[in-house]
Amino acid sequence: NAGVTQTPKFRVLKTGQSMTLLCAQDMNHEYMYWYRQDPGMGLRLIHYSVGEGTTAKGEVPDGYNVSRLKKQNFLLGLESAAPSQTSVYFCASSVAGPPREQYFGPGTRLTVT
Amino acid sequence: DQQVKQNSPSLSVQEGRISILNCDYTNSMFDYFLWYKKYPAEGPTFLISISSIKDKNEDGRFTVFLNKSAKHLSLHIVPSQPGDSAVYFCAALQRDYGQNFVFGPGTRLSVLP
Repeated sequence: NAGVTQTPKFRVLKTGQSMTLLCAQDMNHEYMYWYRQDPGMGLRLIHYSVGEGTTAKGEVPDGYNVSRLKKQNFLLGLESAAPSQTSVYFCASSVAGPPREQYFGPGTRLTVT
Repeated sequence: DQQVKQNSPSLSVQEGRISILNCDYTNSMFDYFLWYKKYPAEGPTFLISISSIKDKNEDGRFTVFLNKSAKHLSLHIVPSQPGDSAVYFCAALQRDYGQNFVFGPGTRLSVLP
C-alpha cells in the first residue's frame, strides 16, 4: 500500500515550457487535491476533484489545469511555466465524508528559471 | 488577507513539558478544523480534527481546543517528545462550500532533550 505518490520528485523548467505532474493514490479515495507551498504561506489549494471526471478551482488556480480521468490519478498541468510557479507541489486524497483528513504525497519541488 | 493565522513562526519547549500551538481564523463560516504535522522533505500528516459543534477533542497526547467566539483554536501536546519537532499547520474548512481547505502558514516546533 503506497498511499499517495507523486511523479516527478524534482523538476527544473525554463520559462514558457510545459509539464505535467502526476499524482496517484491506491486508497480508493473519492477526493483528490493539488496544493502549492511557498515560504511563509502554508499550503494553498490550486484545484481539487470530488470524483472521476470532475474538477473544481481552489484558491490559486490561474496558470494551472487539471484532469481526473481515472479515480486513482489526478494530473496537474502547467501550460506555460512562469518563475512565480516555482514552489513545492503537494497532492492529497481523502474519503468523501468525515473525518475529512487528507493523505498527502511527498511533494514535487519545481523550479522555473 | 490570510483567513487562517498562526502568529508564532516558531516555538521551543523542553522534552516532557506541554507544547501549545495557536491558530486564529477570521471567517466565522469555518466549521471544521484540522491540525497537520510536517517533517522536512515529506508531505503533511494528519494529527487531529475538531468540528465546530465541539470545543475539545482529544487523541492520546494531542488535544485540540476550539473557542468559536474568539475564533481561536489551539493544539496541546503533552508530554512533548523530541520526535514531535516538526512544522505544524492549522487548516479550516467551510463544509457547505466545497472542499476549499485553508491552511495557516505553520509553526515550527522544536522539542529540546
